[in-house]
Amino acid sequence: AQSVAQPEDQVNVAEGNPLTVKCTYSVSGNPYLFWYVQYPNRGLQFLLKYITGDNLVKGSYGFEAEFNKSQTSFHLKKPSALVSDSALYFCAVRDPLDSNYQLIWGAGTKLIIKP
Amino acid sequence: DAGVTQSPTHLIKTRGQQVTLRCSPKSGHDTVSWYQQALGQGPQFIFQYYEEEERQRGNFPDRFSGHQFPNYSSELNVNALLLGDSALYLCASSKWVGELFFGEGSRLTVL
Repeated sequence: AQSVAQPEDQVNVAEGNPLTVKCTYSVSGNPYLFWYVQYPNRGLQFLLKYITGDNLVKGSYGFEAEFNKSQTSFHLKKPSALVSDSALYFCAVRDPLDSNYQLIWGAGTKLIIKP
Repeated sequence: DAGVTQSPTHLIKTRGQQVTLRCSPKSGHDTVSWYQQALGQGPQFIFQYYEEEERQRGNFPDRFSGHQFPNYSSELNVNALLLGDSALYLCASSKWVGELFFGEGSRLTVL
């Protein structure tokens, strides 16, 4: 069955330090992978996606994510965290072989950046 | 270029009432998906509209229905509201299976 796991409910990072938000997935085919961010009482904003090509994908606000096929992971990273990065982060996956086409969502990880 | 717009932003209803939420997709997008997001949870897929037809549906009862208009805008209708329907309802638009762009949501409170 297709699934997405975000193993950490919350990640705490000091401002200026690198951050990583983890995501692992399980799909039958080659996945399409996405990261979204949600600020309090707001909708979700698209950050970045991996479809094919380079395993390191760069996105909005200085975020990047690394696709690792052998580990079935797509961790979100940023070299230097900002307090304004504090938000809820969702990983999502789509299996292009699945005619359903729907995104499978992780449960979300709350990122807290402390000054 | 306007993004996805939703209305109303907030509304309060009582149990048993009906509600209609509206969504205008991002320019150039032809597909609208609706999600329900309860507090502290991830978004749950309700259904998706493309070419004015419901193409996919999540695990939601028939009380949840929708419509897509020729200009690609969409409505979500919920009948016989329950307390558990209180949530943030998110509309997302895309070009068929492209990445989703979300609106700011409609916060529904059922009393």
